[in-house]
Amino acid sequence: DIVLTQAPLSVSVTPGESASISCRSSKSLLSSKGITSLYWYLQKPGKSPQLLIYRMSNLASGVPDRFSGSGSETDFTLKISKVETEDVGVYYCAQFLEYPLTFGSGTKLEIK
Amino acid sequence: EVQLVETGGGLVQPGKSLKLTCATSGFTFSTAWMHWVRQSPDKRLEWIARIKDKSNNYATDYVESVKGRFTISRDDSKSSVYLQMNSLKEEDTATYYCTTILTDWGQGVMVTVSS
Repeated sequence: DIVLTQAPLSVSVTPGESASISCRSSKSLLSSKGITSLYWYLQKPGKSPQLLIYRMSNLASGVPDRFSGSGSETDFTLKISKVETEDVGVYYCAQFLEYPLTFGSGTKLEIK
Repeated sequence: EVQLVETGGGLVQPGKSLKLTCATSGFTFSTAWMHWVRQSPDKRLEWIARIKDKSNNYATDYVESVKGRFTISRDDSKSSVYLQMNSLKEEDTATYYCTTILTDWGQGVMVTVSS
């Protein structure tokens, strides 16, 4: 199975500042079709996960452009520019390259 | 409006069975691939099963830890997907989400396996 390792475990950010979350894959997530199957979700307190970024760097519908995704075949970064209080929650990366689909262990974002 | 509503959770003893139902609306269910994802008490997310649509022969996939114990199925006439869980173990305790995996997730249903 593909293992996704997220860092840090938690991050505390002052509103208006930026935050970055790392996700490292045990295997290249670049498919033969040239698609990098890495996804980012946010789970707000008491809610279900919501998609933020698909295929490594594409913003999901309705997601503010303060969020951005980047990376290579195995190392990925979610960046949140100008963090707002509504961004609190747990961020998960996920891979959809192959089954079983797998998720990272999550990064909790808190506001200072 | 897209809706996915899971029901059927609860407290069950180890070794017993439980069947979860996910009723959906607001999207073309018959062509959607449906998944179950669970979240353990320590908040880890684990994908557990997927069922494809009719054109893909309703093919299924499972995570190793539930193979042979859990069965995913669907009824396109009812826009519903199911998860039959047999031989439950304490480590199956989690909140279970029905999802299209990308845009649409249910609110989740809790399953507690304990004696």
